Amino acid sequence: GENVEQHPSTLSVQEGDSAVIKCTYSDSASNYFPWYKQELGKRPQLIIDIRSNVGEKKDQRIAVTLNKTAKHFSLHITETQPEDSAVYFCAASISGNTPLVFGKGTRLSVIA
Amino acid sequence: DTGVSQDPRHKITKRGQNVTFRCDPISEHNRLYWYRQTLGQGPEFLTYFQNEAQLEKSRLLSDRFSAERPKGSFSTLEIQRTEQGDSAMYLCASSLKTYVDTEAFFGQGTRLTVV
Repeated sequence: GENVEQHPSTLSVQEGDSAVIKCTYSDSASNYFPWYKQELGKRPQLIIDIRSNVGEKKDQRIAVTLNKTAKHFSLHITETQPEDSAVYFCAASISGNTPLVFGKGTRLSVIA
Repeated sequence: DTGVSQDPRHKITKRGQNVTFRCDPISEHNRLYWYRQTLGQGPEFLTYFQNEAQLEKSRLLSDRFSAERPKGSFSTLEIQRTEQGDSAMYLCASSLKTYVDTEAFFGQGTRLTVV
């Protein structure tokens, strides 16, 4: 089955700097890669996703890149703000056919 | 429709007791997922349904766990003879499956503490 590895487990950045979180997956058939943000005591919420037919997707300060050959994908947050502080999870699935498999999460702290 | 709702939000039970959790998905969503999350970990897949059919159960899921979605709407997750290792946050999510995955929306979760 699918296995998703996520790094780093914790990340501290100064406000205004960029943050990068990386994930690798094992199943070459996986083609859907969402990223979820979970604030303390709250439910995970989707912030961006990418499908394997594209290599990059942007939404304002957030971008995700996908390298299918290397089986890894990354989340990039630019101009970080204190409200970006949360735990971020990557996930992978075979779209429409398998449930999401999540990484272990990255705790991002943005220091003002 | 205010999203995925779970009940109860918190449950404290004694070891050996049975517990049941309920999840009400977003009304038009045909897929419903159960995940378990422990501190510092990502959500771990337990089982999922498409309408009333249970499509997959995690190989790691003990026989003490059972889930139902009898009418393709709400779902229940039952844990029999609870153990301390069952203490976790149990998350439900729902999505609308067409020919591709759409966004999975999570509920607030049920936090189980087994004492």
